[in-house]
Amino acid sequence: ETGVTQTPRHLVMGMTNKKSLKCEQHLGHNAMYWYKQSAKKPLELMFVYSLEERVENNSVPSRFSPECPNSSHLFLHLHTLQPEDSALYLCASSPGLDRTYEQYFGPGTRLTVT
Amino acid sequence: GQNIDQPTEMTATEGAIVQINCTYQTSGFNGLFWYQQHAGEAPTFLSYNVLDGLEEKGRFSSFLSRSKGYSYLLLKELQMKDSASYLCAVMDSNYQLIWGAGTKLIIKP
Repeated sequence: ETGVTQTPRHLVMGMTNKKSLKCEQHLGHNAMYWYKQSAKKPLELMFVYSLEERVENNSVPSRFSPECPNSSHLFLHLHTLQPEDSALYLCASSPGLDRTYEQYFGPGTRLTVT
Repeated sequence: GQNIDQPTEMTATEGAIVQINCTYQTSGFNGLFWYQQHAGEAPTFLSYNVLDGLEEKGRFSSFLSRSKGYSYLLLKELQMKDSASYLCAVMDSNYQLIWGAGTKLIIKP
């Protein structure tokens, strides 16, 4: 595998379910990101990790819980979601946070909350 | 507040040229990025501008004017595979990316 991978690609869950999204990067990067992408809206940055430490939490509801066990893996744990949480969830990585780096994106998880 | 504006949708003809504009107001500036995103796929990096002027990369060029808070992406010799959304993003003084909502480009034969 190369680049940034995400699983699952599609997920349908009820509002009472608990599920997790997984992201893995094979680029040796130190920073990883979770974004939410809704139709016709800008990418919303949810969480940023640098060297496994969370450095950004943009007022995301507690029903979204990130986990970064090592610099290659990032999880987003989901519980008691709302229908408005249906969106494409993108993971990205970059070499670091202290300079201008491009971000490399995974293909995303299309989440539908019923 | 921080803001990135770009048109929601544009239509162009195969073989033609199209220019996608992006204007921005951000807290500081550490460069402007353009990404391409095909439907159902990951955004992929196209270009980066930090100095004023035009950067050319094959059929794609990107222009920046920092004094005007303005950039454009120019696509030449359009091909059907160029149908995608084009995302403009500015890196602010905290090295955080501020994203536009994207421009959906439709190419017609």
